[in-house]
Amino acid sequence: GQQLNQSPQSMFIQEGEDVSMNCTSSSIFNTWLWYKQDPGEGPVLLIALYKAGELTSNGRLTAQFGITRKDSFLNISASIPSDVGIYFCAVGAGNTPLVFGKGTRLSVIA
Amino acid sequence: SQTIHQWPATLVQPVGSPLSLECTVEGTSNPNLYWYRQAAGRGLQLLFYSVGIGQISSEVPQNLSASRPQDRQFILSSKKLLLSDSGFYLCAWSASGRRSGNTIYFGEGSWLTVV
Repeated sequence: GQQLNQSPQSMFIQEGEDVSMNCTSSSIFNTWLWYKQDPGEGPVLLIALYKAGELTSNGRLTAQFGITRKDSFLNISASIPSDVGIYFCAVGAGNTPLVFGKGTRLSVIA
Repeated sequence: SQTIHQWPATLVQPVGSPLSLECTVEGTSNPNLYWYRQAAGRGLQLLFYSVGIGQISSEVPQNLSASRPQDRQFILSSKKLLLSDSGFYLCAWSASGRRSGNTIYFGEGSWLTVV
């Protein structure tokens, strides 16, 4: 089946540092999404990307849909303690269910 | 606006007992509905999805079943729980349609512990 490689698996950073994580796939997709899951809650959509090369920002978050349609990155600038959680990338094609990466667990040290 | 609600939030059940988790969506019609399971600190595993009443697709063989008795209601069930059924269960919905159907929105989750 389709698989996403999401990296890194986990990150420990100091408050105020910038964060970068990415996802790659062996197949082409026309939708890339980034979600954040706080402990004990359901994932929440952060950014949705629908066009190859698209760069989108949401506050301190920036995500890009790779030009080859096989990868995407998510950057977080000036991290704060509430950025802690698991970040998932997800890809979609047509109306089939999304495929999720295994997540990047982010820990922020104050 | 659309909302999704699932219950119960927390459940502790003995091995061999039945299970019923319910999920409802408000503010939209004919949504695609999903059940995911997440083992502690792990990724999201798609269990079932439904594109309409009575239409259920199963992604993995398992001890669980799903039903959609109404347009905006999705139920996850088991006749006899196993220890391995423990986990965090998430209901989700997406709008029907080619592109809008890609973005899904999750409920609050239900913690199931089988003892």
